[in-house]
Amino acid sequence: DQQVKQNSPSLSVQEGRISILNCDYTNSMFDYFLWYKKYPAEGPTFLISISSIKDKNEDGRFTVFLNKSAKHLSLHIVPSQPGDSAVYFCAASPGGSNYQLIWGAGTKLIIKP
Amino acid sequence: DVKVTQSSRYLVKRTGEKVFLECVQDMDHENMFWYRQDPGLGLRLIYFSYDVKMKEKGDIPEGYSVSREKKERFSLILESASTNQTSMYLCASSFATGVTFGSGTRLTVV
Repeated sequence: DQQVKQNSPSLSVQEGRISILNCDYTNSMFDYFLWYKKYPAEGPTFLISISSIKDKNEDGRFTVFLNKSAKHLSLHIVPSQPGDSAVYFCAASPGGSNYQLIWGAGTKLIIKP
Repeated sequence: DVKVTQSSRYLVKRTGEKVFLECVQDMDHENMFWYRQDPGLGLRLIYFSYDVKMKEKGDIPEGYSVSREKKERFSLILESASTNQTSMYLCASSFATGVTFGSGTRLTVV
């Protein structure tokens, strides 16, 4: 049973527009969430995170929104750039520690020129 | 910056071979992890270790073992490689503020 779900395997967005990647979770004990970005043949790299005490965290073009009642988080990228084309993984952690992270299956984002 | 180094980027091994994947981190992190990544399945945890000589099974430990004799090094061992172990293997380490991954090893078992 997947506790963290990324229901869109892929997403195609025009360059300059907004990319919205979604992630749903089932475990209400999760209280820390992270987004990682992965290029082919490379390891994932940390992008942005959010604690459950917040509903929004922003870092440059990247904003993560958390809706605890819906157990849903989303990553917004504005404006989208060609270099954003990658696989994005959502991860969740119980207890505020990344000792063990539960990962989504990933969403492949394709930015069209 | 934390660096996590995986010894090989690409490996091709034969069915039945014993395979060693090595991972070294340089920031004295206590926690280290081995994942495999397969299309549509995301990152699946094979084993993790929270201290020297300590290891815990992850979600898919079957067919694998690990070794952590020194804090900086975490090895993944495929006892007898099989074709269904063809995958991207990712090592990671963490302390408190985030997980850092190595570049990955693309293993092909033929």
